[in-house]
This record gives sequence, structure tokens and C-alpha cells, in this order.
Amino acid sequence: DIQMTQSPSSLSASVGDRVTITCRASQGISNDLGWYQQKPGKAPKRLIYAASNLQSGVPSRFSGSGSGTEFTLTISSLQPEDFATYYCLQHNSNPRTFGQGTKLEIQ
Amino acid sequence: QVQLQESGPGLVKPSETLSLTCTVSGGSMSGSYWSWIRQPPGKGLEWIGYIHYIGSTNYSPSLEGRVTISIDTSKNQFSLRLNSVTAADTAMYFCALSGGGPSDYWGQGILVTVSS
Repeated sequence: DIQMTQSPSSLSASVGDRVTITCRASQGISNDLGWYQQKPGKAPKRLIYAASNLQSGVPSRFSGSGSGTEFTLTISSLQPEDFATYYCLQHNSNPRTFGQGTKLEIQ
Repeated sequence: QVQLQESGPGLVKPSETLSLTCTVSGGSMSGSYWSWIRQPPGKGLEWIGYIHYIGSTNYSPSLEGRVTISIDTSKNQFSLRLNSVTAADTAMYFCALSGGGPSDYWGQGILVTVSS
């Protein structure tokens, strides 16, 4: 199985901050990675697909980069509605695997 | 707009079988992979498996042997069966159309509790 190591596991930040979350794959996965945002009691919502493509309707302050084994999700200027938990998901090989999540909290 | 809706019992007894159905509306099931994902209370997301619309499946090794995903394209539904459940299978279960392309849709989730 491909292991996805996500860091940090939690992060405190303020409105307006720039934040970066990282996922590292235990082996190369090309660009077969998506980033999800999940708020309490809700289904995950995909923000980025194919590592760097912005999902339709997602604000442009979200961006993704990377290929191979290292990937980042960047939020350029945090908004109050961005405080949530974020997950990466690889679909390069089966079983598909999620990162363990990053909880983004208000500082 | 594709919509997915999970349905099934919210309470299952230990050692019994968990059965859930996902109904797809607003689009065709053709050409896509249809997934089940779960999330234990307070924990992260776990991929259970998927089925292609032609019927091929792939399951998480941690659940293989207990899990079956099936599809009925005539009803626009796909289903999950998980045998011999224990308290560790208590989770929110999501169905999803989720892959590498631009389309990504999830159901709202259904909480299944395993308890006697």
C-alpha cells in the first residue's frame, strides 16, 4: 500500500495568514492526488484534483503543487470559513489512501 | 448535477452484516468508479473500495474478505455489504464518485453504529 504522510497534523493560524500543508507519498504517484476540506458533520469537499487543478467553484486562494512523492496545498490568505480539516487522497494505485488529516484552527 | 444519497440501517448488531445502498441521481453511472469511504467518530477517512460501472471491484486489504460492493445500473444504485461487524466498524459511511477527473461527488453520509 502507498502510505500518505500528511503534515502538520494540526495548525493554528489567523485570518489573512498564508498556510501550507504537505503530503508525502511512500512511493511515486505521479500527479494522482486530490486535496479535500471537511467541516464537522459534513462530507469532504474536493478543492484540488490532479495535484494542481482547482476544482470548479473553489476560491482561487487555494492552490496545489507537486508531483511524484511530495505535494502541497497552500491557502494564500486564510478566511474564517477555511478553518476545517484537510486531507490528501492518492488514487495512483489500489488501495487508495488518505493522509491522516490536518486540523486547521483559529489562533 | 449528480447527487448521491446513502440509505440503510443506522444500527447493526455485532457479528451481523452491515448493508447500505447509494442512490445516484442527476447523471449516468456509466464510465465511472463508485466508491465507499468511512470515517469512525473523531477519526480520519478510510477508503473501503470501489466498483466500476461494468462491475469490476477493488477493496481495501484491511477489509477484503468481509466486504462486497455491487452495482445495479438499472436502478442507478450501488451497495455495500460488510460482514461480521464489530464495534470497530462504527463509522460515518460515505458513498462517492471520486477519481482523478474533474468530477467529484459525495453523499451526505450515514452513521452506522454497531451495538447490541
